[in-house]
Amino acid sequence: DAEITQSPRHKITETGRQVTLACHQTWNHNNMFWYRQDLGHGLRLIHYSYGVHDTNKGEVSDGYSVSRSNTEDLPLTLESAASSQTSVYFCASRAIRGSNQPQHFGDGTRLSIL
Amino acid sequence: SQQGEEDPQALSIQEGENATMNCSYKTSINNLQWYRQNSGRGLVHLILIRSNEREKHSGRLRVTLDTSKKSSSLLITASRAADTASYFCATGHSSNTGKLIFGQGTTLQVKP
Repeated sequence: DAEITQSPRHKITETGRQVTLACHQTWNHNNMFWYRQDLGHGLRLIHYSYGVHDTNKGEVSDGYSVSRSNTEDLPLTLESAASSQTSVYFCASRAIRGSNQPQHFGDGTRLSIL
Repeated sequence: SQQGEEDPQALSIQEGENATMNCSYKTSINNLQWYRQNSGRGLVHLILIRSNEREKHSGRLRVTLDTSKKSSSLLITASRAADTASYFCATGHSSNTGKLIFGQGTTLQVKP
């Protein structure tokens, strides 16, 4: 069965370090998204991609970057981790561009920055 | 800014009862989606209703949409302990951007 996998599931790191969270989907979906989930804020969009070599900023993109070199992967990088970036991060994918399509989510990465 | 606002924030009911969750939004949409999130897991898509639809059913789920009031409701009938989860509405605005904006969610506890 097709799926979307995030790794690691849990990570603890220190402020100032570079961190990369992996997202891999076998749906062959063109669209991929990164969200963060925090109490009181729901899910907020960080970055998204509509296809290979396409990336776009979301609502809370400062301090994060993504690159899309193939269809399956959209890694999220925190260039210099800050304590405010402690959160649960979710990756999602969607078959085609258009908000009237469901998104498929991974199970998240819980990131703690000390 | 958040588009979907959900009400109530938390709901606790007995197994077999119906659960109703509401979502309000601010600007015009072309569709509204409901997702479920079990503890420690990702979101799972439940149902999508388009702006020209008023009601939609899927199994024990019933979703209504009132675009004049900018609101939607999710009804879960004959609830089960396995329905315990957080439920999120998400609004879609135009096919050009394709982005969804999520509400803060309703946490539902179904007691056996």
